[in-house]
Amino acid sequence: GEDVEQSLFLSVREGDSSVINCTYTDSSSTYLYWYKQEPGAGLQLLTYIFSNMDMKQDQRLTVLLNKKDKHLSLRIADTQTGDSAIYFCAVTKGNAGNMLTFGGGTRLMVKP
Amino acid sequence: ETGVTQTPRHLVMGMTNKKSLKCEQHLGHNAMYWYKQSAKKPLELMFVYSLEERVENNSVPSRFSPECPNSSHLFLHLHTLQPEDSALYLCASSQGGGSSYEQYFGPGTRLTVT
Repeated sequence: GEDVEQSLFLSVREGDSSVINCTYTDSSSTYLYWYKQEPGAGLQLLTYIFSNMDMKQDQRLTVLLNKKDKHLSLRIADTQTGDSAIYFCAVTKGNAGNMLTFGGGTRLMVKP
Repeated sequence: ETGVTQTPRHLVMGMTNKKSLKCEQHLGHNAMYWYKQSAKKPLELMFVYSLEERVENNSVPSRFSPECPNSSHLFLHLHTLQPEDSALYLCASSQGGGSSYEQYFGPGTRLTVT
């Protein structure tokens, strides 16, 4: 079955760049997403990438996709304390856009 | 504020109770979802309602019963729950058939089963 893996924890200093990584097994996934969850809140969609792209930039966020290695990353430039949260990678099950498989989440801690 | 609201935000219920969770979306979407978020498991899709069709995760116990009376409202009816059902229940919506199916989540209902 589909599997999405993320490391559990990342700690960075304010102002540094953060890179959160994700690996997945379904090579037919067409859309890949990054969500952010702050304490006591639901998931907030940050950005997504279509599988025929290898990079997407949106202000401080850069998404890189390596389809060959089935590896997705999210880079946050100039990380701020407000970026402290849990970040989830999610991929579609093939081209079934409604069906997502989520990773377990990476907790990002930003130290002042 | 994502345009998806959930009530109640917190719920404590006994194993013999019956309760319902409510979700409402104000985004004009045509697909709605229930997810379960437990402390030690990845986010788990429970049910999808899309264009009046229902898709369900076969591993969801029958003590969870969804209802979607229209494209803006979604309910999750709960009865005879178990302590392991304690979790954060998240509702989401999306525009099915769109270009990217982005799902927008509500804040969740924190459920505790005693």
